[in-house]
Amino acid sequence: DVQMTQSPSNLAASPGESVSINCKASKSISKYLAWYQQKPGKANKLLIYSGSTLQSGTPSRFSGSGSGTDFTLTIRNLEPEDFGLYYCQQHNEYPWTFGGGTKLELK
Amino acid sequence: EVQLQESGPGLVKPSQSLSLTCSVTGYSITSNYWGWIRKFPGNKMEWMGYISYSGSTSYNPSLKSRISITRDTSKNQFFLQLNSVTTEDTATYYCARSRRGESGFYFDYWGQGVMVTVSS
Repeated sequence: DVQMTQSPSNLAASPGESVSINCKASKSISKYLAWYQQKPGKANKLLIYSGSTLQSGTPSRFSGSGSGTDFTLTIRNLEPEDFGLYYCQQHNEYPWTFGGGTKLELK
Repeated sequence: EVQLQESGPGLVKPSQSLSLTCSVTGYSITSNYWGWIRKFPGNKMEWMGYISYSGSTSYNPSLKSRISITRDTSKNQFFLQLNSVTTEDTATYYCARSRRGESGFYFDYWGQGVMVTVSS
């Protein structure tokens, strides 16, 4: 299975700041990476797929980049609703696997 | 709007079977792919498997001998059965619509999740 490693595990930031979350695959997954946001009591939200394609409804302050083994989710100008848990997931090779999560907290 | 809702027992005894239902509204399960994903304590996530619009299934090899995903199209529901559970199956279980991309699958609509504890 493709192992996905996210960093950092925890991240503290203030509204208005920009942050980056990294995801590293154990082998090349081409561009096929998705990003999700998870918040308590709410359904998980698909933010980005195929590395950089924004899902319908995802605000433009979110962006994804990378290919091969190294990927980044960048959130510019953080809004209060952006704080939560973020996961990456590779969709290149069966079985589909997830990173360990990054908790974005309010500083 | 597509909505998914998981339901089922929150407590299962070791060696028994875990059975969950996902009720879908706003979209027919005879289109697309519908699957289960779980999140363990400590935040690790695992894709478990899906059932397709035609009723075919695909499972994570790590679960292949214990898992079954079925459906009832008349009720627009699909189901998870996981046999011979142990405490290591304690997790929050999510159902999700699995979208087939240029490559592989990602998950564009999710339920809110149901927590299942395996304990005697």
